[in-house]
Amino acid sequence: EAQVTQNPRYLITVTGKKLTVTCSQNMNHEYMSWYRQDPGLGLRQIYYSMNVEVTDKGDVPEGYKVSRKEKRNFPLILESPSPNQTSLYFCASSLGLAGNTDTQYFGPGTRLTVL
Amino acid sequence: LAKTTQPISMDSYEGQEVNITCSHNNIATNDYITWYQQFPSQGPRFIIQGYKTKVTNEVASLFIPADRKSSTLSLPRVSLSDTAVYYCLVGQALYNQGGKLIFGQGTELSVKP
Repeated sequence: EAQVTQNPRYLITVTGKKLTVTCSQNMNHEYMSWYRQDPGLGLRQIYYSMNVEVTDKGDVPEGYKVSRKEKRNFPLILESPSPNQTSLYFCASSLGLAGNTDTQYFGPGTRLTVL
Repeated sequence: LAKTTQPISMDSYEGQEVNITCSHNNIATNDYITWYQQFPSQGPRFIIQGYKTKVTNEVASLFIPADRKSSTLSLPRVSLSDTAVYYCLVGQALYNQGGKLIFGQGTELSVKP
C-alpha cells in the first residue's frame, strides 16, 4: 500500500532532550516536506526537500533540522526541544517532477508535547 | 506563490450543498488550483484539482471562472462526515516553483444534523 509513515505517533518529552521524528514513504517520491499544525495557525511548512541531499527552509524552520540521505526517508530532528515546539507534526511527499501537478500525500501525524 | 483567501469557517446542515470560495487575485498563468480536506487529527488529503472551467469527481466539483481569480469548491449534499477543514492551494509544479507550499488556515466546515 502506498503510504507515508511517521514514528512515533505520540511523544511526550522534556525541554532540551534531543529527539527525532522519522518519516518514510514508499512511493519513490522526489519531494518530501514537514509541517506543524497549531490551533488557529493552520499548517505551516518547516522544511522541504526536492531530492536526496537537497533541503530548504520553509516558513518556520527555527529549532528544527532535517536530513535527506535516502529518497524514502526524511527525519525531523529537534536538537533541543522547547515547549513552544509542542504541536502536531505532519510529513508529506509528492512526485516533485517537472510538469507534475504534485498531489501531496500526508502521513498520519505525530503529536509532540514538550514539558 | 499566489496568496489565497478563504472564509475561516462555515456552517451547514446535512443534505445541503456547500460552496467554499477561495480568492487568488494574483494567480499566475501556469498556476493550478488544488483543494485538500483534513479531518481532525489526520493529515490532509487531496480532493480535487483544476486549471480552468469545471472539474468534477466522485467527491466534489471545482468551478473556476474565466479570469481564474477565484475558485469554488462545491460539496453536494453534505453529511456529518464532511465536517473537516478545507484548504485551497494555488501554485505550479513544485519542481518549477522551488518547493515551498502555503496551506494557510483553511475553511473549517461544520455540518450539523
